Amino acid sequence: GAGVSQSPRYKVAKRGQDVALRCDPISGHVSLFWYQQALGQGPEFLTYFQNEAQLDKSGLPSDRFFAERPEGSVSTLKIQRTQQEDSAVYLCASSLARTGAAYEQYFGPGTRLTVT
Amino acid sequence: LAKTTQPISMDSYEGQEVNITCSHNNIATNDYITWYQQFPSQGPRFIIQGYKTKVTNEVASLFIPADRKSSTLSLPRVSLSDTAVYYCLVGDRAHTGNMLTFGGGTRLMVKP
Repeated sequence: GAGVSQSPRYKVAKRGQDVALRCDPISGHVSLFWYQQALGQGPEFLTYFQNEAQLDKSGLPSDRFFAERPEGSVSTLKIQRTQQEDSAVYLCASSLARTGAAYEQYFGPGTRLTVT
Repeated sequence: LAKTTQPISMDSYEGQEVNITCSHNNIATNDYITWYQQFPSQGPRFIIQGYKTKVTNEVASLFIPADRKSSTLSLPRVSLSDTAVYYCLVGDRAHTGNMLTFGGGTRLMVKP
């Protein structure tokens, strides 16, 4: 069946531009996570949604980062006024479980953002 | 959050069994141990999860001693396609939010 999809797969932005990254989770999955993965590092948590509710945004690095999931399915991660340190792969994951990040998460392929 | 420690890298040869050990000295009573695999340019993929003793699936086995302060992921007869980064994580099932910390993972290189 269809997995988690993300678009675009690659994005190049000039410093100062705004970007929007899309995640289509597996249909019916309640939980949705965003992660940031720097080159050579493991994924780092950014934010978590349970349906349309953003229950945890403690990992967002600054107020330039904003995420939404208005209808409880598709999610968008927006980064305003991009900086070079925002260059990374942004991963989206979804889970059938309502609680507990320890339940199996299904990851998308990620969006590689390069800020020049 | 329980912190995990695992080797940065490991080398192996095709056909060998590979064991990757992870330490998690501060694991909590409700924490489960989960392993993910990540290939280049892909998101992580769930491999196996356990709470105690031994768990086996079609891909791997997970050995957890009684004190649960460590765990060992065992990959039988690895092939070149098993070259990847393997992450050990601990987290519970009861709470929402940021309960998964990936760390740096173990880079496994399988050689012919």
